[in-house]
Amino acid sequence: DSGVTQTPKHLITATGQRVTLRCSPRSGDLSVYWYQQSLDQGLQFLIQYYNGEERAKGNILERFSAQQFPDLHSELNLSSLELGDSALYFCASSFSGRAYTGELFFGEGSRLTVL
Amino acid sequence: QKEVEQDPGPLSVPEGAIVSLNCTYSNSAFQYFMWYRQYSRKGPELLMYTYSSGNKEDGRFTAQVDKSSKYISLFIRDSQPSDSATYLCAMKGGYQKVTFGTGTKLQVIP
Repeated sequence: DSGVTQTPKHLITATGQRVTLRCSPRSGDLSVYWYQQSLDQGLQFLIQYYNGEERAKGNILERFSAQQFPDLHSELNLSSLELGDSALYFCASSFSGRAYTGELFFGEGSRLTVL
Repeated sequence: QKEVEQDPGPLSVPEGAIVSLNCTYSNSAFQYFMWYRQYSRKGPELLMYTYSSGNKEDGRFTAQVDKSSKYISLFIRDSQPSDSATYLCAMKGGYQKVTFGTGTKLQVIP
């Protein structure tokens, strides 16, 4: 158990809809990272927050947004969903904003299916 | 060209075999090299990390980095069925984000 909690574990929705994925980092970790994992693209970095502030942005679509709240939990909002958004979405956390050694602690993921 | 290339496999080996997993990369700024293991329906977990070139051993696992060739490897000795998982290489440089390979699926057959 990594200590990172993600909800929901599974989500099935229709095209055009909006969903929110939630992540609680490990106790004491200030950074939250969101990754998308699909079969052909592997783990793609979406966005990082550190202590409530956006720290780095990756290949995140404009239809997607995220935030980190004062209690350090984070939410990833996906809107105007398309079939291609079907994937596993992982949240990871680390103590340092730099995750200097690259050690990230991952949750078990939220599997999104868009029909 | 992707920053990190990893042979997707799948790789199927008999129990007890030596397994070699490899990645190549193009970004010279990468300094930290990691291997994550991901079991089915689970999140990745850090298996090993090395800094710069050289070897690092941890039990049955050895991570090797050759910065001159931009090539990293993970060797698993005496492979066990419990090693069956997807192995992802990952790299970062300084304050950069962690970049992952696409993963190699390994199956160790009893």
